[in-house]
Amino acid sequence: GAGVSQSPSNKVTEKGKDVELRCDPISGHTALYWYRQRLGQGLEFLIYFQGNSAPDKSGLPSDRFSAERTGESVSTLTIQRTQQEDSAVYLCASSSGLALRTDTQYFGPGTRLTVL
Amino acid sequence: GNSVTQMEGPVTLSEEAFLTINCTYTATGYPSLFWYVQYPGEGLQLLLKATKADDKGSNKGFEATYRKETTSFHLEKGSVQVSDSAVYFCALSAGGTSYGKLTFGQGTILTVHP
Repeated sequence: GAGVSQSPSNKVTEKGKDVELRCDPISGHTALYWYRQRLGQGLEFLIYFQGNSAPDKSGLPSDRFSAERTGESVSTLTIQRTQQEDSAVYLCASSSGLALRTDTQYFGPGTRLTVL
Repeated sequence: GNSVTQMEGPVTLSEEAFLTINCTYTATGYPSLFWYVQYPGEGLQLLLKATKADDKGSNKGFEATYRKETTSFHLEKGSVQVSDSAVYFCALSAGGTSYGKLTFGQGTILTVHP
């Protein structure tokens, strides 16, 4: 079956521009997570959705970052006024949402964002 | 807060050598523990997991045992292959208000030579 997909796979933008990153989770998965992987650093959590609600936004680094999810499916992560430190690989993952502590999260291939 | 400390790499081995990658964690409550792997040019995928103390996760010849007394989840393989060359991440997931979000270690780069 189809896995988690993300688009675009690569995005190069100029400092100060806004970008939108898209995630299509596995069909039927109610839990959706965004993570960020900066060069030389580990993966860091950004935001968690259960259905269309985001009970945990604690990882969003600043108010330039926002995300939404619609139809309990597609999610969009938006970064406004991009900065060079936003350069990273942005990963999306989904899970069934039935038992969050034990669920396996399935990851998409990521979007590599480069801010010039 | 929750944290994962992973053996620093890179690790370079010859084919058929024994592999251990150490992982220790700090968490409140009873987390689940995971090893994820990222092969060159591919996305992150689950290698194995264990959800309670003394559980052993295993897959593709890799094993890890959830040791609550030492707060560890070390990854082992008896005989590595060139195809095992990848980046390995240890991670934990807690329930409650952590909502299952994964806390990752820094990753260990493994290179296996023929």
